[in-house]
Amino acid sequence: GNSVTQMEGPVTLSEEAFLTINCTYTATGYPSLFWYVQYPGEGLQLLLKATKADDKGSNKGFEATYRKETTSFHLEKGSVQVSDSAVYFCALSDRPSNIPTFGRGTSLIVHP
Amino acid sequence: DAGITQSPRHKVTETGTPVTLRCHQTENHRYMYWYRQDPGHGLRLIHYSYGVKDTDKGEVSDGYSVSRSKTEDFLLTLESATSSQTSVYFCAAQGVDQETQYFGPGTRLLVL
Repeated sequence: GNSVTQMEGPVTLSEEAFLTINCTYTATGYPSLFWYVQYPGEGLQLLLKATKADDKGSNKGFEATYRKETTSFHLEKGSVQVSDSAVYFCALSDRPSNIPTFGRGTSLIVHP
Repeated sequence: DAGITQSPRHKVTETGTPVTLRCHQTENHRYMYWYRQDPGHGLRLIHYSYGVKDTDKGEVSDGYSVSRSKTEDFLLTLESATSSQTSVYFCAAQGVDQETQYFGPGTRLLVL
């Protein structure tokens, strides 16, 4: 079956630090890959996605590259802000069902 | 944005009582999902629907049932609530790309 593994949190950083959250996956097909973000008290919302190998998804200064050879989709941001504090979920969607598989989430805490 | 709303947003109930949570969407999306979110488990799929009156089980469906009599509404019922069903419940709809999930704001359920 499909699975998504992401690094355990919490990840604690100072403002303007570099962020990496690791995500690896296993899939039976050729999935699309996603990062979702969940701010306190809210539902998840799409942060970025990539649909094929070597694609780079980007949004709000975050980016992730679809690496088929290493089955990874690591999230990066060059300079985090306090407002980036949230829980980040890596996910995949595989055909034909397109039922998503989520990682367990990584909490990010950014201190001023 | 798929215009997902959930009701109620908060509920406290007693063990053994039935509970129904409602999810409403305004974008005519075909696929809808119910998840529960618990610390240490991330998001787990309860049930999903692929059309009116077409539903199927997810990984944690025991103790839950769903109904979808209209495209816009997807109901989750706990037939006889137990303390283990205390959780935050999220509804989601799948976007036009048939991959991206759009989430509601969640329902916090406490079963005493």
